[in-house]
Amino acid sequence: KAGVTQTPRYLIKTRGQQVTLSCSPISGHRSVSWYQQTPGQGLQFLFEYFSETQRNKGNFPGRFSGRQFSNSRSEMNVSTLELGDSALYLCASRYGTTNTGELFFGEGSRLTVL
Amino acid sequence: AQRVTQPEKLLSVFKGAPVELKCNYSYSGSPELFWYVQYSRQRLQLLLRHISRESIKGFTADLNKGETSFHLKKPFAQEEDSAMYYCALSVDNYGQNFVFGPGTRLSVLP
Repeated sequence: KAGVTQTPRYLIKTRGQQVTLSCSPISGHRSVSWYQQTPGQGLQFLFEYFSETQRNKGNFPGRFSGRQFSNSRSEMNVSTLELGDSALYLCASRYGTTNTGELFFGEGSRLTVL
Repeated sequence: AQRVTQPEKLLSVFKGAPVELKCNYSYSGSPELFWYVQYSRQRLQLLLRHISRESIKGFTADLNKGETSFHLKKPFAQEEDSAMYYCALSVDNYGQNFVFGPGTRLSVLP
């Protein structure tokens, strides 16, 4: 079974630009969540989508948004990029009928904002 | 608010020595706790979860609700155990459904 796939793996943007990251979950998984990983803050929860609906949201500004498609693939978007948005963005999927259970992570998209 | 703490950023032990990675949590409900591990150049992956009460790669963890702890233990560390370890709390509400601790880097010396 293929694992969680994230694209692109690396990208460089400048301040003020926007970026879209993509995540394809494990087949059959309906829940996709996003995390931001930085050396200073560790892993921080961004949001979770289940059946195309945002089910949970972390404490990030409105510049961070996401969506999920009918095939469970998810995208997250960051608008008006700031230097502090430089991070590894991890996507995780799970079967997701409840809010608990093991997460399966992708390898991440490393965003550098110059 | 839910919180997970891991007091040690870095833990170094010699091969064959016992190892204990500490994790404490704060949560008013019934917690579901996990240990995730990230080996060098690999993705974050589940090591074990408290409800399964199993031993993975020689590691065990016991949930102590009185002390709100979920420490990870292994009696004899191996060099291949060197990795970043994250304790995680899963909460069944509509807020942060997974709260991760800051992580502990375990270095097993030869």
